[in-house]
Amino acid sequence: GAGVSQSPSNKVTEKGKDVELRCDPISGHTALYWYRQSLGQGLEFLIYFQGNSAPDKSGLPSDRFSAERTGGSVSTLTIQRTQQEDSAVYLCASSLGSPHGIQYFGAGTRLSVL
Amino acid sequence: AQSVTQLGSHVSVSEGALVLLRCNYSSSVPPYLFWYVQYPNQGLQLLLKYTTGATLVKGINGFEAEFKKSETSFHLTKPSAHMSDAAEYFCAVSEGETSGSRLTFGEGTQLTVNP
Repeated sequence: GAGVSQSPSNKVTEKGKDVELRCDPISGHTALYWYRQSLGQGLEFLIYFQGNSAPDKSGLPSDRFSAERTGGSVSTLTIQRTQQEDSAVYLCASSLGSPHGIQYFGAGTRLSVL
Repeated sequence: AQSVTQLGSHVSVSEGALVLLRCNYSSSVPPYLFWYVQYPNQGLQLLLKYTTGATLVKGINGFEAEFKKSETSFHLTKPSAHMSDAAEYFCAVSEGETSGSRLTFGEGTQLTVNP
């Protein structure tokens, strides 16, 4: 596609449920990033995939959060046993993967945990 | 670790007036700096970036920023504000090459443009 695509755009879930958020990066981009945007914490890095290298998971806030990237393209961010503090906008970005390539962002998934 | 401070969470200007959004950074390596803009319910869009070379960087929509190493600043300016510039602006610094290109963002500045 022309840009980074994220789905769903909005997700409402109940506390304790698991959720999956999807990101389709720009075709040909080898690097993919997940960020979280919340009122109290601003924009935070979560996880970074670069090609076939082991992902940089250093930003994941707890072991309830995990992400995978299949076939070097689509990525799924999974949050298990959601908590109210997980409510935020989850943004995905992709880049060509050069050390400081431009990151292109999707519109995000707004997650609301009731 | 890198950090970014944006002075002023809200800035209000009149249409046609100068826009100045402040950003200071802390970095243990030569910094790579970015300004992104976010319109309501949209993702982040790159306005401009500084990597190496000329310290005055021009971006889209008439914005520019100047990298000042001595002041550890990367302020964003636009000579004449337009109503369509109303949005949230984020300054970001890239981690060193060994960390890939993960970005550390400032808290953001909400720009309001008054008619």
